[in-house]
Amino acid sequence: DTAVSQTPKYLVTQMGNDKSIKCEQNLGHDTMYWYKQDSKKFLKIMFSYNNKELIINETVPNRFSPKSPDKAHLNLHINSLELGDSAVYFCASSQRQQGKETQYFGPGTRLLVL
Amino acid sequence: KQEVTQIPAALSVPEGENLVLNCSFTDSAIYNLQWFRQDPGKGLTSLLLIQSSQREQTSGRLNASLDKSSGRSTLYIAASQPGDSATYLCAVDNNAGNMLTFGGGTRLMVKP
Repeated sequence: DTAVSQTPKYLVTQMGNDKSIKCEQNLGHDTMYWYKQDSKKFLKIMFSYNNKELIINETVPNRFSPKSPDKAHLNLHINSLELGDSAVYFCASSQRQQGKETQYFGPGTRLLVL
Repeated sequence: KQEVTQIPAALSVPEGENLVLNCSFTDSAIYNLQWFRQDPGKGLTSLLLIQSSQREQTSGRLNASLDKSSGRSTLYIAASQPGDSATYLCAVDNNAGNMLTFGGGTRLMVKP
């Protein structure tokens, strides 16, 4: 009964390819996120998605596009992968609760671009 | 732009010690502040969330404090145990879509 799940857990691919990472939450939350953790373990927000409202971190290249088929899913599609995209990508979710929005994280997807 | 800094970057203590992890942030107009734990190769687990109107939160051996005016938070761990060994991350929510800004983390090692 995993709360936030991601697939795949590991992804190794060639530069220039297009890939997708899937995220699902069964907590009934209304907001989902994607974060990137680089090789130095620094964690940065990429996107926040709430009820069809997408908020994008302006530093994220437009090769990255989140897609939400429904409230429980937020997938991340990456076009034309580059070496610098290698990182661990975490999905998270939370419920709007006036200052009490604890975020629950998935186990991460380890992406390696060769 | 919010910036979050955590000191120290790494800490090693013998079992049983009480310890304090520090977090500072540059923009005091925060919505809430959260402390997370990350084990090697794993995701993040939420430990404590302090709303902007609160001064501290406690959970078991953990106590987190918040001083918004000075832009600081501390995580106090009492009677540390080897199982507490992990990276502890501080994150600030400025209510911009609830997107968190994380500090660089403190890697804690508690030796038996």
